[in-house]
Formats: sequence, structure tokens, C-alpha cells
Amino acid sequence: KAGVTQTPRYLIKTRGQQVTLSCSPISGHRSVSWYQQTPGQGLQFLFEYFSETQRNKGNFPGRFSGRQFSNSRSEMNVSTLELGDSALYLCASSLQSSANEQFFGPGTRLTVL
Amino acid sequence: SQQGEEDPQALSIQEGENATMNCSYKTSINNLQWYRQNSGRGLVHLILIRSNEREKHSGRLRVTLDTSKKSSSLLITASRAADTASYFCPPSGGYQKVTFGIGTKLQVIP
Repeated sequence: KAGVTQTPRYLIKTRGQQVTLSCSPISGHRSVSWYQQTPGQGLQFLFEYFSETQRNKGNFPGRFSGRQFSNSRSEMNVSTLELGDSALYLCASSLQSSANEQFFGPGTRLTVL
Repeated sequence: SQQGEEDPQALSIQEGENATMNCSYKTSINNLQWYRQNSGRGLVHLILIRSNEREKHSGRLRVTLDTSKKSSSLLITASRAADTASYFCPPSGGYQKVTFGIGTKLQVIP
């Protein structure tokens, strides 16, 4: 069974630009969660989607948004990038809920210059 | 939502020794999970223990849960250099968001 895949793996953007990250969950998994990881703040929850609906949201500004498609694939978008958005963005999928076993992708390393 | 607080923040042991790390949380939970993150394999789920379970084993891992004390522990026996990683213990209840703490950084010295 293929694992969680994230594209792209690395991304360099400049301040003010926007970016879209993609996540393909494990086949059959309907829950997809996104996390931001930085050395200073650790691993922070962004949002969780289940069956195309946002189930939970973390404490991030509205510049951070996401969506989930009918095939459970998910995208997250960050608009008006700031230097502080430089981070590793991790996507995780689970069968029904992030409260159960989550399988994490390798992440997208975003650098904002 | 709530997050687990891992303790100690850092732990250094010799290969072959046992490593114990602890986790505390604040409100009632349905289950508690342990994850490991290292540079080689990324973030990996280790074990999930439900609120009605007291102890669970998986290979060299032993997890305990004490809901009366709102605490959990992870024991790694006969540690290996490959166990060097950060360990996290997010608790969860129902469909609340799962949040991660700072983790315990374990270094196993060969």
C-alpha cells in the first residue's frame, strides 16, 4: 500500500506570494490533517478534513486555508507569505479520525525569502 | 483540544540501556498515542492506548496509562542507536483536534 505523498517536497517563495501544497492520503483513508513544524514552535495543528468538510481548525490566521476533494486528496494554501511561514508542512492521513493512528507524509519544506 | 506534555525534554543513554519517558495531560481522553520522529523515517506512529487499557506492548516498547493521574509512560527496552529520535504523546478525545507537545529528545549513544 502506498504511503502518504506530499508535493512538492521543497519550495522556495518570496514574501507576499502564495503557495499551494498537495497531499495524497493512503487509499481508503478519509481523514487528512495538516501540521506546521518549526524549530521554535514545534509541531502545530493547522486543520483536519474529513469527507470534504473541515472538522477542526488550529489557531492560524485566515491566510492559511485548505480543502479536501472527493477522492480524499487535500490541498492547503497560504496566501501573502511571510518570513515566519518558513517551515516543514506535514500532512497525515487516517481511516476516520486523527484521534486514531495517523500516517504522516515526508513533508513539504517551504522557505520564504 | 489538549496536548500531552512530555518529560524529560531531553534524555541521553547508552546503547543497550532502557529509556523511560513520561507524558502528562489535563482533561479526560479516549485514547493516547505515542509517535516518534527522526530524520530518517519522519514522523511514525508507535502505539495507541485506549482509556480503558492500563498497559500495552509492541516489540521493545511498553506503554502504560494511568487515567487517575492523567499520565502515561513509554519504556523502550534494550535501546539501539536507531531509537534516537523525538517522542510525542498526543492525547485525544472523540473528534477533537490532535495536538503535539514539544516532545522528548532521546539520544542513544553507541
